[in-house]
Amino acid sequence: AQKVTQAQTEISVVEKEDVTLDCVYETRDTTYYLFWYKQPPSGELVFLIRRNSFDEQNEISGRYSWNFQKSTSSFNFTITASQVVDSAVYFCALSRTGFQKLVFGTGTRLLVSP
Amino acid sequence: GAGVSQSPSNKVTEKGKDVELRCDPISGHTALYWYRQSLGQGLEFLIYFQGNSAPDKSGLPSDRFSAERTGGSVSTLTIQRTQQEDSAVYLCASSIGDRGGNEQFFGPGTRLTVL
Repeated sequence: AQKVTQAQTEISVVEKEDVTLDCVYETRDTTYYLFWYKQPPSGELVFLIRRNSFDEQNEISGRYSWNFQKSTSSFNFTITASQVVDSAVYFCALSRTGFQKLVFGTGTRLLVSP
Repeated sequence: GAGVSQSPSNKVTEKGKDVELRCDPISGHTALYWYRQSLGQGLEFLIYFQGNSAPDKSGLPSDRFSAERTGGSVSTLTIQRTQQEDSAVYLCASSIGDRGGNEQFFGPGTRLTVL
């Protein structure tokens, strides 16, 4: 079975601080995909990134970066110089190759205060 | 272009009534998904459509829940004899193709409240 654990329920930071959101996953599959989604207060889930299990390269997109480590089954997300607009619930998710459904973690609520 | 749309945005119903929730996916997206988001259960997968067929219905919680998709486009999720535990936000998503790992685009959801 697949499982995604986001141990941090809520994180509060002050603007401009860096923050890392943890994601640990479990799967017996050798190939799979990992995702991060953002859910702002408006409620609509917004796709941030997809990572194939074959590709362990870290990725940076502006202030966002992702660290994928198969050895520890982790796919952590770092926001550099956080901003108030980053306040949202962030979900990590997993899907098996050949299967379409996403298995989500419980989410981490990030609150960035000015 | 237009994103995934869902209607109604809010639905309040009485226990025991049937409800229908509608999802209009992004044009050209062959895959469509229903998820449910509730405080107690988080985000749960319900059903997946590829075209008009549903190869994965594994997440439907009971036989009171059913879904269909017509014309490879609009989908309707029906909940019969609603119960209070059905109260949740029902999210629809769509994606291109049927390969696992495709980015899923989500709609704004339908908030269902069962009194």
